Amino acid sequence: DIVMTQSPDSLAVSLGERATINCKSSQTVLYSSNNKNYLAWYQHKPGQPPKLLIYWASTRQFGVPDRFSGSGSGSDFTLTISSLQAEDVAVYYCQQYYNTPFTFGQGTKLEIK
Amino acid sequence: HVQLQESGPGLLKPSQTLSLTCAVSGVSLSSSTYYWTWIRQPAGKGLEWIGRIFTSGTATYNPSLKSRVTISVHTSKNQVSLELSSVTAADTAVYYCAREASYSGTNDYWGQGTLVTASS
Repeated sequence: DIVMTQSPDSLAVSLGERATINCKSSQTVLYSSNNKNYLAWYQHKPGQPPKLLIYWASTRQFGVPDRFSGSGSGSDFTLTISSLQAEDVAVYYCQQYYNTPFTFGQGTKLEIK
Repeated sequence: HVQLQESGPGLLKPSQTLSLTCAVSGVSLSSSTYYWTWIRQPAGKGLEWIGRIFTSGTATYNPSLKSRVTISVHTSKNQVSLELSSVTAADTAVYYCAREASYSGTNDYWGQGTLVTASS
């Protein structure tokens, strides 16, 4: 299985400031034949199902605010929230869908400072 | 608009079989070409991918659960089901069904989730 490791486990950021979450995979999730990174980011709030934010490492899902961005390639990825809003408080997960079983990082809890 | 709704018993005794149904609306399973996925989250822990099934009926399971899990698609009822045998307390979790987007391979629509507790 591909192991996904996120850092930090928790993060407190002031409103309007930048939040950065990192994700590292135990092997590449870049498929050479199409040059796509099989890496997604989800936002999970209590009592709700996870919400897809980013796929192909950097493509925002329809309707996701542009303050959310994804970057990286191969085995190192980053989710950035450019200006933190109160509604962004949640746990964020990265997921690889390069190989089954698809696997998630352990999650990063984002709070307001 | 695609909607998914999980249902099933919320309380099981150890060694029993967990059986959940995911009712899908807004898209016909018989005419669509999506994967349908089950994912779970134990309390205080992260997300675990259980497995997925294509509308043709071909299923792929997480090897950690493969000997105990069966995912099925019921096109006449527009439902997807999950069975997990010989449950233990470690199977206590919120169980989600989700659609795997054909354009990205990720889960774009999710049910609200259902809590299943395995306890004597």
